[in-house]
Amino acid sequence: RKEVEQDPGPFNVPEGATVAFNCTYSNSASQSFFWYRQDCRKEPKLLMSVYSSGNEDGRFTAQLNRASQYISLLIRDSKLSDSATYLCVVNKLSNDYKLSFGAGTTVTVRA
Amino acid sequence: ETGVTQTPRHLVMGMTNKKSLKCEQHLGHNAMYWYKQSAKKPLELMFVYNFKEQTENNSVPSRFSPECPNSSHLFLHLHTLQPEDSALYLCASSPAGGATDTQYFGPGTRLTVL
Repeated sequence: RKEVEQDPGPFNVPEGATVAFNCTYSNSASQSFFWYRQDCRKEPKLLMSVYSSGNEDGRFTAQLNRASQYISLLIRDSKLSDSATYLCVVNKLSNDYKLSFGAGTTVTVRA
Repeated sequence: ETGVTQTPRHLVMGMTNKKSLKCEQHLGHNAMYWYKQSAKKPLELMFVYNFKEQTENNSVPSRFSPECPNSSHLFLHLHTLQPEDSALYLCASSPAGGATDTQYFGPGTRLTVL
């Protein structure tokens, strides 16, 4: 089983729509969870960390479900600039700085 | 942004060549990482240096050789590579290798092995 699995998409949505997707992780001992964003042919950049209680940053909402071992990302009021690949990232072990990356979910927002 | 820089940005090399990738971070971080990103695949962690000590060698073939002379610089020395080594090589840094640290990535070196 892969350490981190994501639906590759693509999710094609119109501007203003809401789009949501999940990722699952295999290691129940993982403690740190992140969403990174990677634009085409660019480096990954942190979008947001994911906290146990769920957290929101503007139009982006992240949720963590430890029991089912998945995290989710929801984007409200999509903008053209949200078009990117979203990487789900999980630390390999508790208190471990080594990260496991998913292959990414591609989102394309159209005018 | 110039927090983490990488050179060269693009590299084409033959299988018998020797080349080096360079990474420099200007963020005052103490942990540095090399990742490999192949098309449609997740980032693969290759090497980790924490306070200049190599703490991870993720079963990487010996044709890849890392070097970390100080906490700001990281090199990846390449020799006798194979075509399947063609990929984007990303360097990253983080404050101190903590579990909740954000990793900051450089722009990557796109490597093509002929």
